[in-house]
Amino acid sequence: AQTVTQSQPEMSVQEAETVTLSCTYDTSESDYYLFWYKQPPSRQMILVIRQEAYKQQNATENRFSVNFQKAAKSFSLKISDSQLGDAAMYFCAYRSVGDDKIIFGKGTRLHILP
Amino acid sequence: DVKVTQSSRYLVKRTGEKVFLECVQDMDHENMFWYRQDPGLGLRLIYFSYDVKMKEKGDIPEGYSVSREKKERFSLILESASTNQTSMYLCASSLRFNEQFFGPGTRLTVL
Repeated sequence: AQTVTQSQPEMSVQEAETVTLSCTYDTSESDYYLFWYKQPPSRQMILVIRQEAYKQQNATENRFSVNFQKAAKSFSLKISDSQLGDAAMYFCAYRSVGDDKIIFGKGTRLHILP
Repeated sequence: DVKVTQSSRYLVKRTGEKVFLECVQDMDHENMFWYRQDPGLGLRLIYFSYDVKMKEKGDIPEGYSVSREKKERFSLILESASTNQTSMYLCASSLRFNEQFFGPGTRLTVL
C-alpha cells in the first residue's frame, strides 16, 4: 500500500523568505500523481500544484515549485517570496493512475512571520 | 468555478443523536468523497461514491453510512453520534481520475 509522510508538523518562515516543505512517499508503482494542497485557516482546501511521475520536469506555479526526486521518492514544495497569505496547513498527497482516491500526508502547518 | 458546499460550518449534537451532513456540488462530478480531518492524523477517507447509489468504504467507515440519491448530493450519516466522532468533516468531488475540489468543512462537536 502507498504511504505519504510529512516529517515536519510545523514550520515558520520570515515574510519574503523562501521555505521548503518536505514530503516522502512509498510506492511500487512507476506512474502516479503527486499533489500539494493548501488549507488556509477556516477556508477551503485548494490544489496548489501537481506533478505527473512520468514527467521529469519539476512543476511550477508562480511562487510555488516542487523538487521531484523519483528515485528517492521525495516531493518537496518550495515557496519563494513567502507572503502572509501563504500561512496554512499544507498536505502532500498521492494518487495512483486509474484510481480516484487520494492518499494524504498528515500535513505541515506553515507560519509566516511578519 | 467549481463549487462544493456543505450544509453547516458548525454543528453541535448530543451523544446518540442521528446526524446528517450534506454536501452538494454543482459541476456534474461523478465522484464524491467524505473525509474526516483530525490534528496530527491528516485527512482520512470515510466513504467514496463514484456514481449515484454507488459507494465504497474508505479507511474509517465504522460508525458512518452514506447516501447518494442524486448526482450532485452526497450525505454522510452518523446513525448514533458518539463523542469520538467530534471532528472536522470535509466533502470533496471530482471527475473520474481528476483533481478533487473541497467544500469548506463542517466542524462537528458531539457532547
